[in-house]
Amino acid sequence: DTGVSQNPRHKITKRGQNVTFRCDPISEHNRLYWYRQTLGQGPEFLTYFQNEAQLEKSRLLSDRFSAERPKGSFSTLEIQRTEQGDSAMYLCASSLALKETEAFFGQGTRLTVV
Amino acid sequence: AQTVTQSQPEMSVQEAETVTLSCTYDTSESDYYLFWYKQPPSRQMILVIRQEAYKQQNATENRFSVNFQKAAKSFSLKISDSQLGDAAMYFCATFIYGGSQGNLIFGKGTKLSVKP
Repeated sequence: DTGVSQNPRHKITKRGQNVTFRCDPISEHNRLYWYRQTLGQGPEFLTYFQNEAQLEKSRLLSDRFSAERPKGSFSTLEIQRTEQGDSAMYLCASSLALKETEAFFGQGTRLTVV
Repeated sequence: AQTVTQSQPEMSVQEAETVTLSCTYDTSESDYYLFWYKQPPSRQMILVIRQEAYKQQNATENRFSVNFQKAAKSFSLKISDSQLGDAAMYFCATFIYGGSQGNLIFGKGTKLSVKP
């Protein structure tokens, strides 16, 4: 296993368009997390899944954002009607549920909304 | 609410020298972890070192060690014998047991430059 994989690495989109990102966690990890990192800031928690269940969502996750993990493996994060303020690095991480302090991060997807 | 403060936006160190990055945090919880993560340019964030709050002994990982002062809520990272590959953003983070389960709380980071 090569670790947490995120695609695409970079995405440029026009304001108002929808975008979708994918995260493939480490195969045996049942927890998957999404974070957002804006320029000059540390990552901020968005949401996390245990298997296919979305167990927690941050107040940062507006109704334009939706995340899924349909089969408890890969996850997608969709942003509808993108705004310039959505420009950020979107990070995915995964861990075992019993080892939630040992999270492994992907390289992130950098979104630029023009 | 938990907060993590890194007061040094940028630091610089000469290769082979020692540098200390500062971090303070605020929590009313007693059961938590503290972390230092490294984020090289265009590469994924990796865990450098982890400290359990109930352990008084400071964690050490090769050239990386922490100075954990629980009463002062301080968690600094010391990098000894700095190498060019240590250049990166360093983030201090907390994880609170019993709180938001997915929620690592990060500071704003310190950009470390290593001069040859």
